Formats: sequence, C-alpha cells, structure tokens
Amino acid sequence: DVKVTQSSRYLVKRTGEKVFLECVQDMDHENMFWYRQDPGLGLRLIYFSYDVKMKEKGDIPEGYSVSREKKERFSLILESASTNQTSMYLCASSPGTPGNEQFFGPGTRLTVL
Amino acid sequence: KNQVEQSPQSLIILEGKNCTLQCNYTVSPFSNLRWYKQDTGRGPVSLTIMTFSENTKSNGRYTATLDADTKQSSLHITASQLSDSASYICVVIVYNNNDMRFGAGTRLTVKP
Repeated sequence: DVKVTQSSRYLVKRTGEKVFLECVQDMDHENMFWYRQDPGLGLRLIYFSYDVKMKEKGDIPEGYSVSREKKERFSLILESASTNQTSMYLCASSPGTPGNEQFFGPGTRLTVL
Repeated sequence: KNQVEQSPQSLIILEGKNCTLQCNYTVSPFSNLRWYKQDTGRGPVSLTIMTFSENTKSNGRYTATLDADTKQSSLHITASQLSDSASYICVVIVYNNNDMRFGAGTRLTVKP
C-alpha cells in the first residue's frame, strides 16, 4: 500500500512565525503535491513537484514556498504565517505523469493565531 | 467560478437508503473524471476513475456514471451504511496537461 505521511496532524502557530510542513511518501513516486482545503472551496493546489529539486506553482502559491531535496520528501514552508493561512493542508503523491491517480496523506490542520 | 460544481452541498440520509451525488463540470478538453471519498480527519481516497469513453464504473456499492456530452457525472450509493458518512469529491483531469480541477465536495451523513 502507498503510504503518505505528514509530520503533524494538528499545529498551532502565531502570526509571523515560520512554519514547516513535512510530507514523506514511500512508493518512489515522481510527483508530489501540496493542497489546502477550506470549507466550500474544495482542494486548491499550492505547489507541486515532478522531480527532485523541481517545483511548479499551483493556483495559490502566494505566501508559500516548497522544497524537494529528496524524492520521498516534499516540504511546504510558510515564511511568515498569517491568520488567513489557517486551513487543512493535504499532501499527495502520484507516479508517472502528474495527472495519474494521487494518494493523499492524512492532512495537517494548521491554526494561525 | 469553479469549473467543477457539486450538488448537493450536504445530504443526510437514513442507513440502508440509496442516494445520488451530482457533479457538473465545464472543464475542456477532458481526460478523465474521478470520485474520491474523504473521511473526517483523513485524506481523500480514490473510489472510481472514468475516461471520457466510459459511461459507468462500479466499486462495490458505489456506481459512478458519466455523460461526457452534457458534462455531468453522478455517484450513486446503494444500501448506505454508517461508514459511508464522508465528503465525496469530484475531480476532473484536463486532457494533455494533467491539470486537475476539484469540486468543493458533498458532505454525506448517514444516520441510523
């Protein structure tokens, strides 16, 4: 079974703090994705990566950056957290072309106070 | 405007009853359409995947249908169980560029 794990299930941070969300997949997938999920809006793509050290902006990259130094790990960074970044963050991975079936992690519920 | 619209936004049914969830999309050109189930506090899990040439796909008590002409899909759940309580998300893949468009989901609650 594909396993995608995220470093934290719940996280509470203060405005202005730097936040790291980590995601690890164990199936040697080429592609990894970061989404945020908000009520009534569905999943929105923040960034994705189709290879080590490669990254592409999604629909809402502002206020975020990413890092992919190893194939199995994809990190999402909030340089200076703001209250409007309070959300559920979901990581996913997929093999082959980015449109192939994605496997999701359990999510991180981030609250910025 | 979202290119994938799901209805209803939420639904409550009694255990054992059937229900149908709708997904209308304007995404074009279209490659394939997927339905995901997301339990509370968990990530989405794939239920069905259909290409533009497929009209129906079943996975146990879940049956997805697709009408590529009218750009509509539905997910029918038969003999619902309490464990079916979840959000159901429709995802449309744009042909050739692997862009994915997510619906906002339908929140289903099955009551005993």
